[in-house]
This record gives sequence, structure tokens and C-alpha cells, in this order.
Amino acid sequence: DAGVTQSPTHLIKTRGQQVTLRCSPISGHKSVSWYQQVLGQGPQFIFQYYEKEERGRGNFPDRFSARQFPNYSSELNVNALLLGDSALYLCASSLTGEEPQHFGDGTRLSIL
Amino acid sequence: GESVGLHLPTLSVQEGDNSIINCAYSNSASDYFIWYKQESGKGPQFIIDIRSNMDKRQGQRVTVLLNKTVKHLSLQIAATQPGDSAVYFCAESGSGGYNKLIFGAGTRLAVHP
Repeated sequence: DAGVTQSPTHLIKTRGQQVTLRCSPISGHKSVSWYQQVLGQGPQFIFQYYEKEERGRGNFPDRFSARQFPNYSSELNVNALLLGDSALYLCASSLTGEEPQHFGDGTRLSIL
Repeated sequence: GESVGLHLPTLSVQEGDNSIINCAYSNSASDYFIWYKQESGKGPQFIIDIRSNMDKRQGQRVTVLLNKTVKHLSLQIAATQPGDSAVYFCAESGSGGYNKLIFGAGTRLAVHP
């Protein structure tokens, strides 16, 4: 069975641009969470979605937004990119949001 | 892939020895605690979890201990193997549950033959 898949794997943007990252959860999983992992640190929670509804939001500015589609895939959007947004963006899924989640291998975003 | 945890504390062990990785958590209200393993260029991989009403839980070659009095969590790996080399993160649920985790800073485990 396929695990959590994320695209693209790597992305280079410049300051001020906008970016969309994509995530496909494990088949049957309805909960998707997004995390930001800056090099040398642990992942930091950004959003959780379940059944297309936002269930939680971490301490990130409004430049960060996300949505979940009827097929449970998800997109993370970041506007007005800053150098500090350079990080590995991780997507994780679980069946209902009440059990340990499985992570994808992330999208490495570099801001120049 | 890019290296995870370039400046993390490192635990170096000999192959075959037991490893103990420690973690201090912050939120007394956390219901769940989870250990993840992250290899270079990969996402975190679930190892084992423990609920706040337990003190100990065992898996295959791994044991997690929870001390709520001092808010301390540890991961014990028996007969450490080269494939165990990775960065290990503890995570707590805070008040948000399994899917809004608060991760610790991580510890790099280096296993030498």
C-alpha cells in the first residue's frame, strides 16, 4: 500500500512568491496534518484537517492556509514567502485523527 | 538527502549495546506521548506511543518509560543495530490530541560497529 505522498519533493522560490504544496494521505485516512521542520529542529504543527474541516491551527501567520478536498487530499499554501519559510514541510495522515499519524517524506522548500 | 538535526545532541553507542534516549516534556495535560525516528531525507516514522495513564510500554526491541512526576520520557532500544542510527524525536499531544503534536528538539543516535 502507498504511504503518504507529497509533491513536489523539492522546490525553490524567491521572497514574495506564493507556493502550493500537495499531500495525498494513505488510502482510507480522513485526517491530514501539516508540519514545518526547520533544519536542526523538530517538526512544528501548522494545521489539521478532518473531513474537510479545519480541526486545529498552530502558531503560524495568516500567510499560511490549507484545505482538504473530498478525496481527503490536502494542499498547503504559503503567500508572500520569507527567507524564514525555508524548511521541510511534512504532511501526516491518520484514520480519524485519534490515532498515531503516518508522515510523508516532505517537501523541501528553499527561499532565495 | 539533507541531514536532519545537524546540531542536535548525539548519543553514540556500540552495535549490540542498549540505548537510552531521554526527553523532557512540557505540558502536564498531555494525554499521549509518541517516539518517532527520522532518517536523513525521510519523514518521521512512528516507533511507539504511551498514554498518560501508563508508566511503561514495550514493543519489539523498544521500551518507553513515562515519569509524570518529573515530566520525563525515555526510549530504550535493546541490542542496538546500525539501522537504528537516526534522529529520534519525542512528541506530546498537549491539549490537542494525536494529530496536533508538540515535538521535542531531537537526539541523534549514532551506532558504531
